[in-house]
Amino acid sequence: SQTIHQWPATLVQPVGSPLSLECTVEGTSNPNLYWYRQAAGRGLQLLFYSVGIGQISSEVPQNLSASRPQDRQFILSSKKLLLSDSGFYLCAWDPGQGSYEQYFGPGTRLTVT
Amino acid sequence: AQSVTQPDIHITVSEGASLELRCNYSYGATPYLFWYVQSPGQGLQLLLKYFSGDTLVQGIKGFEAEFKRSQSSFNLRKPSVHWSDAAEYFCAVGASGGSYIPTFGRGTSLIVHP
Repeated sequence: SQTIHQWPATLVQPVGSPLSLECTVEGTSNPNLYWYRQAAGRGLQLLFYSVGIGQISSEVPQNLSASRPQDRQFILSSKKLLLSDSGFYLCAWDPGQGSYEQYFGPGTRLTVT
Repeated sequence: AQSVTQPDIHITVSEGASLELRCNYSYGATPYLFWYVQSPGQGLQLLLKYFSGDTLVQGIKGFEAEFKRSQSSFNLRKPSVHWSDAAEYFCAVGASGGSYIPTFGRGTSLIVHP
């Protein structure tokens, strides 16, 4: 069966510090991968998605970036965090081929102080 | 482009009462429709999905949803709510033949009173 992992689970970082959140998927190949952000009391905001290694599409211009160094690994990064980057970050995958059905990781709670 | 509206931000029900969460979508062709549930501090879990066929779909945890094309709706129902159903519920729509990325509604927060 497939599983998706995210770490860390929680993170408190000062403004201006770098960020690296990692997501890995097991039990599948060539998944589509997604990063979402969920602010308090808000819906899901799609940040990045990837259909393959090294292929990243950005939905929202900001100081975040994403990379996919391996087929089942998706990394969200920032060189300098802003207060507005605080939120709940969710990684998701789907098997591709127009399936639409997404599977979500447990999330990372980021607080920028 | 497709869009999803969940008109209720919060819904409060008593334990044991029935539940209906509303979802309306906008898309010209046959959509792919989903309901997800998110417990506090957790990721989203798929409850059920509709791609085609029978318009009444059964999901996990005793939930069901009905696709009504004439009303552009995909409402989620449960006949008897349990306290553990308290969570955030998201409706999502995917456009068949278009972008494979689903569009999510803003979510409905379900509060269950004992």
